[in-house]
Parts: sequence; C-alpha cells; structure tokens
Amino acid sequence: DIQMTQSPSTLSASIGDRVTISCRASQTISSWVAWYQQKPGKAPKLLIYKASSLESGVPSRFSGSGSGTEFTLNISSLQPDDVATYYCQQYNSESRTFGQGTRVETK
Amino acid sequence: QVQLVESGGGVVQPGRSLRLSCAASEFTFRVYAMNWVRQAPGKGLEWVASVSSDGRKEFYADSVRGRFTISRDNSRNTLYLQIDSLRPDDTAVYYCARGSIRTACFDYWGQGTLVTVSS
Repeated sequence: DIQMTQSPSTLSASIGDRVTISCRASQTISSWVAWYQQKPGKAPKLLIYKASSLESGVPSRFSGSGSGTEFTLNISSLQPDDVATYYCQQYNSESRTFGQGTRVETK
Repeated sequence: QVQLVESGGGVVQPGRSLRLSCAASEFTFRVYAMNWVRQAPGKGLEWVASVSSDGRKEFYADSVRGRFTISRDNSRNTLYLQIDSLRPDDTAVYYCARGSIRTACFDYWGQGTLVTVSS
C-alpha cells in the first residue's frame, strides 16, 4: 500500500501567519492527492483535490501544490476558524490511504 | 442537501459481529461509489473500504480484509459494513463518505457511528 507521511504532527502559529503542511507519498502518485480539514467532533471536510484544485466553497486562503511524491497545503493567512487537524489522502490507487494528520493550533 | 446517516454502532464484545448502515438521501445514490472511513479515539483517519456504484467492486484496507464486508442496496439507498470477529482495536467512529464523480474524492460525510469493542 502507498504510505502518506505528513509533517509536522502539530503546528502552532499566530493569526495571520502563513502555514505550510507537507505530505510525502511512499511512491509516485502523480497529482492524486486530496486535503481534508477536520474539526473536533466533526466529520472531515474536503478542501483540495488533485493536489491543487480548490473545492467549491472553500476559502481562497487555502491552496495546494505538488506532484509525484511531495505535496503541500498552504494557508496564506491563518484565521481562528482554521484551527483543526488536516489530513492528506492519496487516491492514485483503490487503497485510499490518509496521512497521520497535522494539528494546527494558534499561539 | 446531501445526507448520510450512519447507524448500528454500540458496545460489542470481542469476537462478535456487527453491521453498520449508512442511509443516503437527497442524491442519486446508485451512481456514486461509497466508502467507509474509521477513526479510533484520539487518532487519525483510516480508510477502511470502498464499493463501486453498482456494488460489483469492493476494495479493502489490508488491516480489515477478510473480516469486513462492504455492500450496498441501491433500492434502499443504503450502504453497509459487516464487521466480523470484532477486536478491541476496531473501536472507532465509523464514517460513511460519498465518492465524488467530479473529483473522485470524498465530498460528503456522515456524522459517524461509534463502535466500542469491549468485554
């Protein structure tokens, strides 16, 4: 199975900061990566698909990039509502593995 | 508004079986692939299984293959997950999620149902 490794596990930033979360795939997966946001006690929400395409309704401060094995989720200016855990997911294969998650907190 | 409502969770003894259901509404269920994802308490998301729109193709995570069975009844707009030989490490919130035709990602999720495996 393809493994997805996220870093960091936890990130603390100030409101207004630019935030970057990384995700590495264990083998090349083209651009078949999605990013999800999960708030405590809630179901995940799709943010980004195909590495860099913004899902409808998602604020433009979120962006994604990368291809092959290295991927990045950026939040251009962290807002209080962005406090959550973020997961990457590969869908290059039928085995849709997730990364272990990155918890974003505010300082 | 797309709705996915899971049910069937609860406290179950190790070794027993359980069937989870996910009732879908407000979309054409029969044309969408469907998925199960679980989350152990305080842990991350784990993809469990997927089924094609017509139910003919099933895919499983290595960790559950042979014990879990995903199925669907398109006439009832319902997705199922049969879990056999339950183990304590199956304790988790189980979410059903719709596979987007447009993006191939999981675009709608249910609220989840908690399965606790304990004697």
